[in-house]
Amino acid sequence: DIQMTQSPSSLSASVGDRVTITCRASQSVKRHLNWYQQKPGKAPNFLIYGVSTLQNGVPSRFSGGGSGTDFTLTISSLQPDDFATYYCQQSYSTPYTFGQGTRLEI
Amino acid sequence: QVQLRESGPGLVQPSQTLSLVCSVSGASIARGGDYWTWIRQHPAKGLEWIGNIYHTGTTFYNPSLENRMTLSVDTSKNHFSLELTSVTAADTATYYCARGRASAGELDIWGQGTPVTVSS
Repeated sequence: DIQMTQSPSSLSASVGDRVTITCRASQSVKRHLNWYQQKPGKAPNFLIYGVSTLQNGVPSRFSGGGSGTDFTLTISSLQPDDFATYYCQQSYSTPYTFGQGTRLEI
Repeated sequence: QVQLRESGPGLVQPSQTLSLVCSVSGASIARGGDYWTWIRQHPAKGLEWIGNIYHTGTTFYNPSLENRMTLSVDTSKNHFSLELTSVTAADTATYYCARGRASAGELDIWGQGTPVTVSS
């Protein structure tokens, strides 16, 4: 299985901050890297696919980058609605695996 | 819009079989092009991909579960199902169904999730 490792595990930030979350794969996943946002008690919400393509309706303050094994999710100016847990996921080979999550809190 | 909804027992006894159904509305499973997927999340933990099924019945299972699980699809009822046998406390989790787009792993629509507890 491809292991996905996110850092940091948790992050404290303030409204208006720029934050970056890192995701590293144990082997190349090419550009098959996706990001999800999850709020407590809710299902994950699909944010970004193919490293950098925003799902319909996702605000442009979200962006993704990287390739191969190292990827980033950046939120350019944090809004109150952005405080949540973020997961990366590789869809290069089954079983599709997720990172352990990064909890973004105030 | 496309919606998925999980249903099944919230409590299962150890060693028994867990059976869940995901009902799909707003899209036709029979149309093809999508991979119908199960994911679970252990309490306060991360996400685990369980497996997916195509409308033809083709399946992909997580090797960690494949000797205990079966996925099936019923296009006439527009739903797909998960069976997990010989459950233990380690199977206690919230189970989600989701739609995987043409690339299979991109999970763009999720159900609300159903919590399952394995306990006697």
